[in-house]
Amino acid sequence: QVQLVESGGGVVQPGRSLRLSCAASGFTFSSYGMHWVRQAPGKGLEWVAVISYAGSNTYYADSVKGRFTISRDNSKNTLYLQMNSLRAEDTAVYYCAIDENYYGSLDVWGQGTTVTVSS
Amino acid sequence: SSELTQDPAVSVALGQTVRITCQGDNLRNYYASWYQQKAGQAPVVVIYGKNKRPSGIPDRFSGSSSGNTASLTITGAQAEDEADYYCNSRDSSGNHRVFGGGTKVTVL
Repeated sequence: QVQLVESGGGVVQPGRSLRLSCAASGFTFSSYGMHWVRQAPGKGLEWVAVISYAGSNTYYADSVKGRFTISRDNSKNTLYLQMNSLRAEDTAVYYCAIDENYYGSLDVWGQGTTVTVSS
Repeated sequence: SSELTQDPAVSVALGQTVRITCQGDNLRNYYASWYQQKAGQAPVVVIYGKNKRPSGIPDRFSGSSSGNTASLTITGAQAEDEADYYCNSRDSSGNHRVFGGGTKVTVL
């Protein structure tokens, strides 16, 4: 079955870096674009970034542009989110999700990994 | 504008019908999709495209769109439908995505 498993979350000080991973299985990873979406405690969903199936196109929310980098390794069926210059407002559960390019929906989501930015 | 606006909360009696709306200029050009998120769980897509339901989503969930407004209707709401519901669509560039603020549905 289709499965996405995020990892790499934790507690990090402001200004430091963290890399999240999303391991994919049960589908042809290299054929699908992928998203990162986050949810701050008690808040709604916030789209973070998307990467095309081959990794050639990436787009970011204004709130993370220039600090976060989305990437993928299709040989390892893994999606990444490199987060630099972290701020307290980046504290959230981070989800990866499969892109349904034609309709624009996010079809399958992982269970999320928690990032806490605190001194 | 690339924002999507949802009412924060709505309640519905068990077995009755509730409609949740999502407004945004980009909905004139792009499909909305709808996500159900129960407490402590990851979101699940319930409607995408022109009223399409993924496998396993009950047919009491339906979607529609007119102008700058997309709607999610639950016909015959069940206790297990109590959740937060979010709409999502592409922004005006077509490359980014944007979520509505979410609607908390309470089943009475």
